[in-house]
Amino acid sequence: DADVTQTPRNRITKTGKRIMLECSQTKGHDRMYWYRQDPGLGLRLIYYSFDVKDINKGEISDGYSVSRQAQAKFSLSLESAIPNQTALYFCATSVAGSLGGGLGEQFFGPGTRLTVL
Amino acid sequence: QKEVEQDPGPLSVPEGAIVSLNCTYSNSAFQYFMWYRQYSRKGPELLMYTYSSGNKEDGRFTAQVDKSSKYISLFIRDSQPSDSATYLCAMSAGQKTSYDKVIFGPGTSLSVIP
Repeated sequence: DADVTQTPRNRITKTGKRIMLECSQTKGHDRMYWYRQDPGLGLRLIYYSFDVKDINKGEISDGYSVSRQAQAKFSLSLESAIPNQTALYFCATSVAGSLGGGLGEQFFGPGTRLTVL
Repeated sequence: QKEVEQDPGPLSVPEGAIVSLNCTYSNSAFQYFMWYRQYSRKGPELLMYTYSSGNKEDGRFTAQVDKSSKYISLFIRDSQPSDSATYLCAMSAGQKTSYDKVIFGPGTSLSVIP
């Protein structure tokens, strides 16, 4: 059973279209994250949420929005997709402090490969 | 200068070889140092983590941190084809009072040839 699931796994869309990527988790974690991964740039944080009412921008939030519908669900939207948003998108979850201090091990979903033409 | 730098590879070694993967960083506030492993078409998963300087061993894997040089390494002994993956270093200050921001390196792609 997958603990962190993402849908869709692959998506091809056109410039200007609205796209929603969905993430669900059964781990019971409060913290959820959205990252994008690009070759040579690694994982970069788009948004993070500590609970349903606490949503924060990451380092590259422009052009993206999120919704935390429930503790277990965190969606990422591209309001008007553009080609440089072509990337691999990952959702992750964690529990604060599981590794020490305030740091928690992050558990990643399988990713969504998004192509914007 | 990027906050975390990592040799991108790709790195190709014969089965049984010792592999050394390395990262450098610039932020002296980092206290937690992690290695994530990412198989093809999968999300990253935590392999090892260390706190502050020193070494940590887990089976064939050894993580080493030198905070004075801002340099971390992951050693893989007796490498196996199943070790073929991308390895991402990651770092965090691990502050209790704020977001546990994690900075990831770009990853090194490793292939272990049978």
